[in-house]
Amino acid sequence: SQQGEEDPQALSIQEGENATMNCSYKTSINNLQWYRQNSGRGLVHLILIRSNEREKHSGRLRVTLDTSKKSSSLLITASRAADTASYFCATASVGGSEKLVFGKGTKLTVNP
Amino acid sequence: EADIYQTPRYLVIGTGKKITLECSQTMGHDKMYWYQQDPGMELHLIHYSYGVNSTEKGDLSSESTVSRIRTEHFPLTLESARPSHTSQYLCASRGAPGAGANVLTFGAGSRLTVL
Repeated sequence: SQQGEEDPQALSIQEGENATMNCSYKTSINNLQWYRQNSGRGLVHLILIRSNEREKHSGRLRVTLDTSKKSSSLLITASRAADTASYFCATASVGGSEKLVFGKGTKLTVNP
Repeated sequence: EADIYQTPRYLVIGTGKKITLECSQTMGHDKMYWYQQDPGMELHLIHYSYGVNSTEKGDLSSESTVSRIRTEHFPLTLESARPSHTSQYLCASRGAPGAGANVLTFGAGSRLTVL
């Protein structure tokens, strides 16, 4: 079964608003990553957070990790129409880090 | 854009045909992966490779096969395509230990439709 489960499955917001997506996973991890996928394209890496980190920032992105709850969140601040895409979390498990396991993704629509 | 290339981008074929999806990367990465992506967006790992002459099956059983004769090349083959093979196939690679070693670089994908 898939390791990561994103929530919500779909999110529609207005430009300028913040978007928050959540990811839950099942096993102990080495790191958790977030990827973005534009329609019909491959995935692009956004940010990686290690298991000993709690929060990480990159531009308008903020990622948190709570290993006790086995969950992570991705916050996109001041969203733009160009942020419209699907967002996936992926986990590298302890002892299995050669494989990244992806969740089902959150489809974000930012309306102009 | 990433230095990993997939061809063809789109392919429509009839049942029973043999097809090969090509994947090449110019980054010298040892580890390469094939994911199958369902219409509902979920990605499933079907094959991966640690390096030349190494191939492993992923978490999702697949009738496809792969080969890794050269570092830069990781083709996926379906001997006899069926409608159930209709999907998007994503190739990815990962580099040597160091900065960015845990990060996957993806190709643009090959969308296969089997009639």
